[in-house]
Amino acid sequence: QLQLQESGPGLVKASETLSLTCSVSGGSIIGNKFYWGWIRQPPGKGLEWIASLSKTTGRSFYNPSLKSRVTISFDTSNNQFSLRLTSVTAADTALYYCAREDYYNGRGPDFDYWGQGALVTVSS
Amino acid sequence: QSVLTQPPSASGTPGQRVTISCSGSNSNVGNNNVNWYQQLPGTAPRLLIYTTDRRPSGVPDRFSGSKSGTSASLAISDLQSEDEADYYCASWDDNLYGHVFGPGTKVTVL
Repeated sequence: QLQLQESGPGLVKASETLSLTCSVSGGSIIGNKFYWGWIRQPPGKGLEWIASLSKTTGRSFYNPSLKSRVTISFDTSNNQFSLRLTSVTAADTALYYCAREDYYNGRGPDFDYWGQGALVTVSS
Repeated sequence: QSVLTQPPSASGTPGQRVTISCSGSNSNVGNNNVNWYQQLPGTAPRLLIYTTDRRPSGVPDRFSGSKSGTSASLAISDLQSEDEADYYCASWDDNLYGHVFGPGTKVTVL
């Protein structure tokens, strides 16, 4: 069974960089047709997609509203992928989820496996 | 402001059927698959319906999805107390070139 787990600092100062890692177990992030992505949810609010990346194709997609501040990358030796969000403000305070994205055979694309989420608070 | 529109709330008594709508445009719902996610209180979202009308393994057949034009729907039949959750529709948007989520609908079992 595929499992994803987010990790990283729970508190980040305004104007600094938010960094999170997603550790994947029960399956490899390489050698398959999946994308791997990040979604966030501000407290009490809805879901917002951040970015998705494929290790196999190298293609990436970013939310236009966040693209200038976001970097998503892989650490294949540890079966992990990461998110960096620069110049954070209070508006970036949210629960950050990593997820697997399946688009194979015309399905979705949808997020079929999710981590439990990591709360990141931006302090002033 | 979400690209997709959902009612903020829906409710029903146990055993009833509840329907949640998701309205979009030709760049998303009208031209792409729709997915639905269920988020139980304090938990991560769970894929409920994918590719508009398919259920992942383990999802009861009480849940069903459909689409017509630029609108999609999630139906929950035989409503049960454990169905109390937030439900989000999502789709790919060809103009934004990314995923878009609806604002979510809170389902209450009376």
